[in-house]
Amino acid sequence: EAQVTQNPRYLITVTGKKLTVTCSQNMNHEYMSWYRQDPGLGLRQIYYSMNVEATDKGDVPEGYKVSRKEKRNFPLILESPSPNQTSLYFCASSLSRPSDYNSPLHFGNGTRLTVT
Amino acid sequence: AQSVTQLGSHVSVSEGALVLLRCNYSSSVPPYLFWYVQYPNQGLQLLLKYTSAATLVKGINGFEAEFKKSETSFHLTKPSAHMSDAAEYFCAVSGWFSGGYNKLIFGAGTRLAVHP
Repeated sequence: EAQVTQNPRYLITVTGKKLTVTCSQNMNHEYMSWYRQDPGLGLRQIYYSMNVEATDKGDVPEGYKVSRKEKRNFPLILESPSPNQTSLYFCASSLSRPSDYNSPLHFGNGTRLTVT
Repeated sequence: AQSVTQLGSHVSVSEGALVLLRCNYSSSVPPYLFWYVQYPNQGLQLLLKYTSAATLVKGINGFEAEFKKSETSFHLTKPSAHMSDAAEYFCAVSGWFSGGYNKLIFGAGTRLAVHP
């Protein structure tokens, strides 16, 4: 089954304790991206990757890191989490640029992160 | 720059009633427009997309949207709501940005409640 898999689904941590949220897709997609979803703000892009070893900042990259060493994996790293990073995070992938009409985004089921 | 405004963060309808979710966009170039749906505890999935081929676009689950350039709108409708339509709906617009990268900009979302 074609899917984007994120882990964990729920994560509670404390300020400053490094964490990684994993994301993997099995559709051989070139494009991958991380979003955070906050009430009233919709989805905001954190980082994206057009291909292996090609990553770039989205709209809200501060406090986050990513890597794309393999095509299928795109982990999100929080080196020193803070309470304002409490949010619902989504990983997504698409065949090419997500705005291409023939390249819809496929989303994972989300990771709800709480930083205390 | 491209932007999306969804009017009404919450919409409530009776089962069998018309569903109308409003989306207005801003774009200096002909846009591609999308509606995504998010069911509880799931990621977003594509509902329908406008790519300039036809102004009335039909999507999954009986939803459709009409592109009206004069009104810069792309409202989502369904003639008869079903309980299973309860979800959050996101309008998104794409286009070229100054950095040359085209991406999706999401609206803040509209939560649809359907009551018996």
